[in-house]
Amino acid sequence: DAGVTQSPTHLIKTRGQQVTLRCSPKSGHDTVSWYQQALGQGPQFIFQYYEEEERQRGNFPDRFSGHQFPNYSSELNVNALLLGDSALYLCASSSLASGTQETQYFGPGTRLLVL
Amino acid sequence: AQSVTQLGSHVSVSEGALVLLRCNYSSSVPPYLFWYVQYPNQGLQLLLKYTTGATLVKGINGFEAEFKKSETSFHLTKPSAHMSDAAEYFCAVSDRGNTPLVFGKGTRLSVIA
Repeated sequence: DAGVTQSPTHLIKTRGQQVTLRCSPKSGHDTVSWYQQALGQGPQFIFQYYEEEERQRGNFPDRFSGHQFPNYSSELNVNALLLGDSALYLCASSSLASGTQETQYFGPGTRLLVL
Repeated sequence: AQSVTQLGSHVSVSEGALVLLRCNYSSSVPPYLFWYVQYPNQGLQLLLKYTTGATLVKGINGFEAEFKKSETSFHLTKPSAHMSDAAEYFCAVSDRGNTPLVFGKGTRLSVIA
């Protein structure tokens, strides 16, 4: 049973550039959430996708956007990168349809460095 | 708004000693509570969770936690530490339902031989 997968594992960008991160949820899961984990901090919620729509959003600017595809995979896009966007980006999946949506399973993350 | 406070950013124990990692939460509704572990350069792995029912929950790798509503706490324990337990531990809370996790800042556990 494949768990949550994310790509790429590492990424280096320069200020002002745009980046796209990808996530495939755990088999049978329909909901994808994205979190940002700055160095030495706990993860912070960015947004959640279900049925290809953004359902909830944390306190992040519009530079952060996302998408969910019909196969439940998801992308996180960040425009106009800032140095402060350097972090580990974590994808988590859960299953709303099965009624266990409270339990989120995390992928290994994408480490983004903005220079 | 929900919040989580993890007391002690770094805890150090000897191998074989009791592990106690503290977590206090704030929530206006009955919470769902979670402990996750993060090994270096990896994602988060679910250790255990409390949703309803028995307040003492057992997780993987010999860890357990007790939900104490009166103390708004959900401390994580393990009777005997092993070297492989060295990692970062995060406590998290969510509302009942499909709401995002709110994490504490984490506690780094070191195990001394």
